[in-house]
Formats: sequence, C-alpha cells, structure tokens
Amino acid sequence: IAGITQAPTSQILAAGRRMTLRCTQDMRHNAMYWYRQDLGLGLRLIHYSNTAGTTGKGEVPDGYSVSRANTDDFPLTLASAVPSQTSVYFCASSDSRGFQDTGELFFGEGSRLTVL
Amino acid sequence: GQNIDQPTEMTATEGAIVQINCTYQTSGFNGLFWYQQHAGEAPTFLSYNVLDGLEEKGRFSSFLSRSKGYSYLLLKELQMKDSASYLCAAMDSNYQLIWGAGTKLIIKP
Repeated sequence: IAGITQAPTSQILAAGRRMTLRCTQDMRHNAMYWYRQDLGLGLRLIHYSNTAGTTGKGEVPDGYSVSRANTDDFPLTLASAVPSQTSVYFCASSDSRGFQDTGELFFGEGSRLTVL
Repeated sequence: GQNIDQPTEMTATEGAIVQINCTYQTSGFNGLFWYQQHAGEAPTFLSYNVLDGLEEKGRFSSFLSRSKGYSYLLLKELQMKDSASYLCAAMDSNYQLIWGAGTKLIIKP
C-alpha cells in the first residue's frame, strides 16, 4: 500500500540522548515535512524539504536537524533530547505542484516521543 | 502575526447537522483547508477552498469568505464515525500552512 511509513511509532527517551525518527514515502512526492503536534496547539512545522538535496527551517527548528539524501527518505534527528521535545511527530509529503493547487498533504501515522 | 481560531470542542447528535467555524489571519492567502483527525491517527485531507463560496463533497461542505477571513465546515447526517478533531489550516503567501489547534467533535447517539 502506497503511503508514508514512520518509525518508531512510540519511544521513551532519556534527556540528553540522540534520537532519529525515520520517515519513508513511496509516492515519489517532491516535498516532505516534519510537524510536531502538542495538545492545545496546531501542527507546527519543524523542517521541510521541497526536493531531494534541499531542506529548510520551519516554525520551530531549534534542537532538530534533517537530511534529504534521496526522494523517499526524510529522517528527523534530535541531537540531544530535552523534555520540551515530548510530542507527537508527524511526517508528511506532497506533490509540490499539486500542493499549490489543492494543499493536500499525506501524513504518516505519527511517532509519539516522550523525553524524561 | 498569523493566526487561526476555531472552537476547541463541539457536541452534536447523530443524524443532525453541525457547522465548525474558523477565522484566519495570514500574510497573504493561497487557500483554506480542512483536515479530519481521528484520535491517535494521522490527519487526512477533507477540503480546499481558494475562491469565495461553498464547496460540497458528499455529506461534507466547506465555505469560504476571503473578505471576512472566515470559513466553515458543514457536516450533514452525522454518523458516530464523524467523531474526530477537525483541523483548519490557511496557506500564506509563501505556500506555508498555518494550522489551527483543531475542533474536537463529539457525536452523541
């Protein structure tokens, strides 16, 4: 089934540890995104990539890094996790041209991260 | 600043109609979007409006007034499976989505 796969689905992490959330899509979408979702707040964009080899900062990029070595993969790394990074993380993708026409994002199932 | 406002929670009865309102303020405007998110799941796309007026898609309709910075999502013939959060998002001049916190819709039998 085509779509976006995220891993892990859930993780408990000690503060100060390094963590990479994985995201893979098989729809050949140009654009990919990482959001975090916290109770009472809207989805907030962390980083994005409009095409393989390029990345950009979103609204809340501090403490996170991304890479886009190829079209399919867009990992998110927390270099040294802090409790305020406890959240649900969603990876998403879009056909960049189609996105400007319809705004449709395709989301992964999310990764629930708890930093203690 | 950029801002999206929508009610935190609404309750409706199975079989009835409910309207979820959203107001937005963005730097430029390239469309208004509604997504549905069931608890513990990923958001899924419902609708997109860029011109004023009503867009109907089955039991769901979405309305936009650009001059008022206002949209609503109308759900008819409510079913229990419609219990979910409904996320409003506006696209700014840089094609970035600005998201509301979501409206949790509770459907009662």
